Amino acid sequence: AQSVTQLDSQVPVFEEAPVELRCNYSSSVSVYLFWYVQYPNQGLQLLLKYLSGSTLVKGINGFEAEFNKSQTSFHLRKPSVHISDTAEYFCAVSNAGGTSYGKLTFGQGTILTVHP
Amino acid sequence: DAGVTQSPTHLIKTRGQQVTLRCSPKSGHDTVSWYQQALGQGPQFIFQYYEEEERQRGNFPDRFSGHQFPNYSSELNVNALLLGDSALYLCASSLGGGGTNYGYTFGSGTRLTVV
Repeated sequence: AQSVTQLDSQVPVFEEAPVELRCNYSSSVSVYLFWYVQYPNQGLQLLLKYLSGSTLVKGINGFEAEFNKSQTSFHLRKPSVHISDTAEYFCAVSNAGGTSYGKLTFGQGTILTVHP
Repeated sequence: DAGVTQSPTHLIKTRGQQVTLRCSPKSGHDTVSWYQQALGQGPQFIFQYYEEEERQRGNFPDRFSGHQFPNYSSELNVNALLLGDSALYLCASSLGGGGTNYGYTFGSGTRLTVV
């Protein structure tokens, strides 16, 4: 079974400051990793994904994440946040093929609040 | 290009009733997955439909059932509603029976409240 732990339920930060949202996962098989963002009363939007290759993944809106296999982590970072980045962020994992290939397992979410 | 469309957007039902939620996938997508997102929680996988068959199922009771139509649209049915079924139900479409590597497209969800 897979699991995802997002280490911070809420992260407050000032505008233009850097931010890191932490995600650890557990899986016995190779995985794909994802970060999604959810704005109030909306569905999920894909920020970025790691499938294979370079461990540093760049996504939309200036976000990036680094896959660390030895630490089973996939932390999300942004060097300078904006008010518009205020939202809830979800880390997710899926099997890289085989059974349960199409199933995403999500973390509990991290609410990022950017203050002026 | 239309994304994933879910209906209705909001719904209030009484305990014990039955409910049907609907999803039209993104144009070109043939696979539909359903997720339940309780308040303050991450989404949880209910099941996935491809080629009009349930391909995978999460840890949900048989009260949760679904259907996929030849045009790839899908329905989620929940019988004998419980208060704990109150949640945002998200539909996600993808291509080719799997989809995580190509990325899902999520709808905005149906907010179900059971009273």
